[in-house]
Amino acid sequence: QVQLVQSGAEVKKPGASVKVSCRASGYPFKNSYIHWIRQAPGQGLEWMGMINPDNGNTDYEQKFQGRVSMTRDTSTTTVFMELSGLRSEDTAIFYCAREFCDSSSCHGFFDYWGQGALVTVSS
Amino acid sequence: SYELTQPPSVSVSPGQTARITCSGDGLPKKYAYWYQRKSGQAPVLVISEDSKRHSGIPERFSGSSSGTVATLTINGAQVEDEADYFCYSRDTRDNRRIFGGGTKLTVL
Repeated sequence: QVQLVQSGAEVKKPGASVKVSCRASGYPFKNSYIHWIRQAPGQGLEWMGMINPDNGNTDYEQKFQGRVSMTRDTSTTTVFMELSGLRSEDTAIFYCAREFCDSSSCHGFFDYWGQGALVTVSS
Repeated sequence: SYELTQPPSVSVSPGQTARITCSGDGLPKKYAYWYQRKSGQAPVLVISEDSKRHSGIPERFSGSSSGTVATLTINGAQVEDEADYFCYSRDTRDNRRIFGGGTKLTVL
């Protein structure tokens, strides 16, 4: 079965960086995009960006341009999201999610999610 | 900026019908999707493309969309359906990915 397993909770100081991992299994890793979505306390879900595991191409939400980097390791079927210049407002649960893709195309919505990783930014 | 608006909370008794709405100007042109997230768990896709029930989702869950409002309906809500539900769609202008604020469903 499809599984996305994320790394654990992190506590970081302002100005630091955090790198969250998402290990995919149960399907051909290169066949589906992986997205990153976060939810800050009391806020709604916010899309951050996506990576194509086949070629490593990325697309970032403008708000995070210059601060976020998404990479992948095909040998371990793992995707990484690194966010730099952390501030208190970045305290959130970060989710990875798979975009539904079939033989014809990818369909722009998420069919499986990771369990989330809490990142706390505090001095 | 484009927004999807959901009621913060909905409360029903077990066996009653729960309806959760999602309002957005782009919904006549873009599909709505619904996700369920139970406390501490990964979100689960419930409904895709306005009304398609995802595999493994009980038949009591259904989705519909009319004009600028998409609706998730749970016929005969169960205690185990207590969760946060959020809708998702795309902005018609720039295709940005947008989520609703989420609705906490209480069944008691």
